[in-house]
Amino acid sequence: DAGVIQSPRHEVTEMGQEVTLRCKPISGHDYLFWYRQTMMRGLELLIYFNNNVPIDDSGMPEDRFSAKMPNASFSTLKIQPSEPRDSAVYFCASSLAGGYTEAFFGQGTRLTVV
Amino acid sequence: AQSVAQPEDQVNVAEGNPLTVKCTYSVSGNPYLFWYVQYPNRGLQFLLKYITGDNLVKGSYGFEAEFNKSQTSFHLKKPSALVSDSALYFCAVRVYNTDKLIFGTGTRLQVFP
Repeated sequence: DAGVIQSPRHEVTEMGQEVTLRCKPISGHDYLFWYRQTMMRGLELLIYFNNNVPIDDSGMPEDRFSAKMPNASFSTLKIQPSEPRDSAVYFCASSLAGGYTEAFFGQGTRLTVV
Repeated sequence: AQSVAQPEDQVNVAEGNPLTVKCTYSVSGNPYLFWYVQYPNRGLQFLLKYITGDNLVKGSYGFEAEFNKSQTSFHLKKPSALVSDSALYFCAVRVYNTDKLIFGTGTRLQVFP
């Protein structure tokens, strides 16, 4: 398996634009997590899914953020409109059994909003 | 409130010496604890976990961690450090009755030749 695949690896966009980050989890993994990493706030969980259903989105910072998982092999995190303070590295991770098992992380998307 | 703390921002150690990266936690219920490592421009990689059983857990790349319930600690250790171990290390704890993990702020390990 190729692991968790995220795209794009880098994204530079202007303030106010819509940004869509994509993630393909490891096949057979029932859990998918979206994290954001910044120097100031460290690693934060934004939202996670179990069997394509959002379970906890309490970490989503604002209504500008939304996430979907239309099927078991694909998820998106959308920011609309984007702001400079959204600049961060966004990670997607998947796991077999949630909090009991190890999560496999993608390489991340480095988002810069100018 | 449930939390995890990594009291050291950076740990410096000479190659060949033993290393320890500290982690303490506060959780409800039985703790499920994890260590991850992050190399530059990469995602986090799993090292080891404690769910139940032996207090000394062995993981990848020669790392191990000792669970201490009375001290609420889960320190990461390695008997002999390598320069290639230089990276950012994260401790994490499962939030009680959920599938969420809380990550510590990370400790940068620098191993000098």
